[in-house]
Amino acid sequence: DARVTQTPRDKVTEMGQEVTMRCQPILGHNTVFWYRQTMMQGLELLAYFRNRAPLDDSGMPKDRFSAEMPDATLATLKIQPSEPRDSAVYFCASGLGRQDGQFFGPGTRLTVL
Amino acid sequence: QKEVEQNSGPLSVPEGAIASLNCTYSDRGSQSFFWYRQYSGKSPELIMSIYSNGDKEDGRFTAQLNKASQYVSLLIRDSQPSDSATYLCAVITFSTDSWGKLQFGAGTQVVVTP
Repeated sequence: DARVTQTPRDKVTEMGQEVTMRCQPILGHNTVFWYRQTMMQGLELLAYFRNRAPLDDSGMPKDRFSAEMPDATLATLKIQPSEPRDSAVYFCASGLGRQDGQFFGPGTRLTVL
Repeated sequence: QKEVEQNSGPLSVPEGAIASLNCTYSDRGSQSFFWYRQYSGKSPELIMSIYSNGDKEDGRFTAQLNKASQYVSLLIRDSQPSDSATYLCAVITFSTDSWGKLQFGAGTQVVVTP
């Protein structure tokens, strides 16, 4: 049963702390996306990678967010330092091509106090 | 103006009826279109994709695309209470120098009433 996995599923942290979220894409998928979802803003694309190379991170606050894909089975999203406004559900998704759609992981619910 | 627009709803549909959801987009160069279903507290799930003008059917779902009018719609036939969810429209505009631009609409909430 191929699926995208994300860890942790829930994270509560205090303002100023570093947060790292991890994603394992579906084996063979070469495009990985990071999204953030809030009630106010909906689903926002933060960054995406193709064949591990970052293609677009224009949706990501550069001063505190960073995204990497150290190998084909792991993508990471880091926030340092975290702020209360970063509280949201962060989704990772993976896909093959622009006509194939994306498959979402279960998400990481982040709460920054 | 948002680049991908959907009515937020809620769209109330009697059980067994047809639910009709609409999505408009602003970029005429958009080339791939998707519908996702998202249950409360869950992640979006891909249910339909369409690239060419016309209709595409998959089970109880039919996606319709009209590039000239820049809209894509989703019909859900024989609506069931389990169809109650938020439906997200996604649009990809290809580009030569990158993978493309991907945008989601805000979603339409559908409530199927028994």
